[in-house]
Amino acid sequence: DAGVIQSPRHEVTEMGQEVTLRCKPISGHDYLFWYRQTMMRGLELLIYFNNNVPIDDSGMPEDRFSAKMPNASFSTLKIQPSEPRDSAVYFCASRFDRLSGNTIYFGEGSWLTVV
Amino acid sequence: AQTVTQSQPEMSVQEAETVTLSCTYDTSESDYYLFWYKQPPSRQMILVIRQEAYKQQNATENRFSVNFQKAAKSFSLKISDSQLGDAAMYFCAYRSARAYSSGSARQLTFGSGTQLTVLP
Repeated sequence: DAGVIQSPRHEVTEMGQEVTLRCKPISGHDYLFWYRQTMMRGLELLIYFNNNVPIDDSGMPEDRFSAKMPNASFSTLKIQPSEPRDSAVYFCASRFDRLSGNTIYFGEGSWLTVV
Repeated sequence: AQTVTQSQPEMSVQEAETVTLSCTYDTSESDYYLFWYKQPPSRQMILVIRQEAYKQQNATENRFSVNFQKAAKSFSLKISDSQLGDAAMYFCAYRSARAYSSGSARQLTFGSGTQLTVLP
């Protein structure tokens, strides 16, 4: 299995630009998560989906952030407009509710720098 | 809400020696999962080991083992025969197993991490 695949791995963008992060979960997994990691706040859960439906987006910092999951094999996290404080590593993760002891598998992360 | 505490921001160990990373958590639940994740400089989050709270036996994965003390709410990670490739940030994480928990309460809560350095 290829694991959770994220793109881009690294992105540098200017303040005010739109940023789109992409994720392909492990095939067959029915949960998908977006996490953000910063030095100040550690790992934060932004939003998660179950069977493509957003279940809890209470971790999304503000309206500039949006996430979609149009099908079981693809999700996006969009920031528009981006700000320097959005600089972080963004992780996508997935799991299958009744398999693997509920283990969550992470992608390699997307390292975002907003200048 | 559950909290996970890792009181050691940094640890170091000599290659081939053994090191123990500490983790404590606070919960009122009896059924849950505990995890240790490793994050090398590449920033990828890699599952190291997992423990179900209902199991009394401590989980073991090759050189990695845990000391799970449910009453004390402690979940330490022992790395035996440390290797240079073990150098990374290690995160302890908690997840509720309650079927009726809702929303983010059922998802992972992470500690702040312990940076492990392996000395050659």
